[in-house]
Amino acid sequence: AQKVTQAQTEISVVEKEDVTLDCVYETRDTTYYLFWYKQPPSGELVFLIRRNSFDEQNEISGRYSWNFQKSTSSFNFTITASQVVDSAVYFCALSAYNISGSARQLTFGSGTQLTVLP
Amino acid sequence: ETGVTQTPRHLVMGMTNKKSLKCEQHLGHNAMYWYKQSAKKPLELMFVYNFKEQTENNSVPSRFSPECPNSSHLFLHLHTLQPEDSALYLCASSQDRGLDTEAFFGQGTRLTVV
Repeated sequence: AQKVTQAQTEISVVEKEDVTLDCVYETRDTTYYLFWYKQPPSGELVFLIRRNSFDEQNEISGRYSWNFQKSTSSFNFTITASQVVDSAVYFCALSAYNISGSARQLTFGSGTQLTVLP
Repeated sequence: ETGVTQTPRHLVMGMTNKKSLKCEQHLGHNAMYWYKQSAKKPLELMFVYNFKEQTENNSVPSRFSPECPNSSHLFLHLHTLQPEDSALYLCASSQDRGLDTEAFFGQGTRLTVV
């Protein structure tokens, strides 16, 4: 069975601090994708990044960076020099096939509420 | 503008009422989804439609009834709900059901059952 764990329920930082959001996943599949989504107060989840299981290169996009480590089944997300506008709920998700292999299953973690204080 | 529009944004209903949630996407996607988001819990996938056909129903109670008349529209019909059904209901769509396909979400309907 697929599972995504985001152990940090809530994090508060002061603006300009760096912050890392943790994500640990479980799957028996060797082929899968990992995603991060941001949910601002307006409600819609916004896609941030996708990473496939065969690509362990870390990725940087502006102030955002992602560290994928298959050895620890983790896909952590770091925001550098955080800003108030980064305040949101962040979800990690795993895309893999269901038990019967008949369909893709997208499993979300419970999310981390990030609050950036001015 | 996310490309996925949900109405209404907020809904308060009594346990004996019947109401419907609407979702519309203008992205040309073939798959549409209903998710339930409760506080501090993972998003729960409720239903999946692919090319207008329901492909998944994750043990959702029959008081929730989905309808997909075409690839652009998805409804969730509600009747005789319980207070524990209060949550944010999110609609999403994706181009297809591939492993790498990201989903696009609407802003959700905040449902309160009284």
